[in-house]
Amino acid sequence: EAQVTQNPRYLITVTGKKLTVTCSQNMNHEYMSWYRQDPGLGLRQIYYSMNVEVTDKGDVPEGYKVSRKEKRNFPLILESPSPNQTSLYFCASLPLAGGIQETQYFGPGTRLLVL
Amino acid sequence: AQSVAQPEDQVNVAEGNPLTVKCTYSVSGNPYLFWYVQYPNRGLQFLLKYITGDNLVKGSYGFEAEFNKSQTSFHLKKPSALVSDSALYFCAVRDIGFKTIFGAGTRLFVKA
Repeated sequence: EAQVTQNPRYLITVTGKKLTVTCSQNMNHEYMSWYRQDPGLGLRQIYYSMNVEVTDKGDVPEGYKVSRKEKRNFPLILESPSPNQTSLYFCASLPLAGGIQETQYFGPGTRLLVL
Repeated sequence: AQSVAQPEDQVNVAEGNPLTVKCTYSVSGNPYLFWYVQYPNRGLQFLLKYITGDNLVKGSYGFEAEFNKSQTSFHLKKPSALVSDSALYFCAVRDIGFKTIFGAGTRLFVKA
């Protein structure tokens, strides 16, 4: 089944404790992206990647890191989480071959609470 | 800069009645517009998109959207609402570099 998976789905942590949220897709998509969803703000892009070893900042990159060492994986790293990073996080992917009309596929989301 | 506005936080409609969820956009160049739906505790699901061509776009679950270039709008519509349509709806615009901007979302309540 074609899908985007995220782990963990739920995470409670404390301020300053490094964490990684994994994202993996099995569709051989070049483009991958991370978003955070907050009430009243919709989805805001954190980082995106057009291909392996190519990453770029979205609208709200502060406090986050990403890497793209393999095509299928795009982990989101919070080196020193803070309470304002409490949010619902989504990973998404899309194939670039079809051009601008391609549809993004979203993962199920990771709900993060930073105490 | 690109932007998307969903002017209504919430839309209430009775089952069987038509529904409209509004979206306006601002973009330089050609607009590439999308609607997504989010059910509770689920990820976003694609509903429909406008890239070029006919102004009326048909999508999943009986939804359609009307692109209006002069009003820079892309309103989501359905002729007859179902209780199961109750969810959070997002409008989005994509630029040529594949960056996607989402609206704040509109929560749709369909009452039986």
